[in-house]
Amino acid sequence: EVQLVESGGGLVRPGGFLRLSCEASGFPFSGHWMHWVRRAPGKGLLWVARINVDGSGTSYGDSVRGRFTISRDNAKNTLYLLMKSLRVDDSGVYYCARDRRVAGGARHFDLWGQGTLVTVSS
Amino acid sequence: QSVLTQPPSASGTPGQRVTISCSGSGSNIGNNAVNWYQHLPGTAPKVVMYSNNQRPSGVPDRFFGSKSGTSASLAISGLQSEDEADYYCATWDDSLNGWVFGGGTELTVL
Repeated sequence: EVQLVESGGGLVRPGGFLRLSCEASGFPFSGHWMHWVRRAPGKGLLWVARINVDGSGTSYGDSVRGRFTISRDNAKNTLYLLMKSLRVDDSGVYYCARDRRVAGGARHFDLWGQGTLVTVSS
Repeated sequence: QSVLTQPPSASGTPGQRVTISCSGSGSNIGNNAVNWYQHLPGTAPKVVMYSNNQRPSGVPDRFFGSKSGTSASLAISGLQSEDEADYYCATWDDSLNGWVFGGGTELTVL
């Protein structure tokens, strides 16, 4: 079955750290860029980070740049998000998403996981 | 404050047509393709339109996407109760060098 399954969420104190994982199955993981997207409580979707196929290229949203690190292990079909210096407003459900590039170069997120909940609170 | 502007809510009765708008600028919608995602909290988001007007397999042809200048819209005709969800537009922003989403539109089927 083609799917993405996130894990690693939980309750953490402000200033703490957490590492999220996203295990891919049913498709050639190493052939796709991947993303993390967050939905905070009562708010909309927010793009967090992106990684290219071999991990050599990454980019981040303004609110997490310098604190979060996206990485991947293609041998394990797994995407990661290391989150440091966590703040209350980092709370939310974190989704991993698969990137698809269509003819002409446009991209979209064509497969999403169910998400993992991160709560940053004292 | 989202970079892309959507109405916070929309509604319609079964069978009606509803349109959700998404307004941006030259650095995002004006220069890049727009995608639309459907999301019910607690579930995985799902792409319902990509590259402005391309429907993924499995999405009914009741869904129609369009783009003009710095605005885009998603139209849903023959509204059904299963269409009730939050809808987000999204695109790449050349100035921010990242993906941006609209604030989301909560669609209610009355």
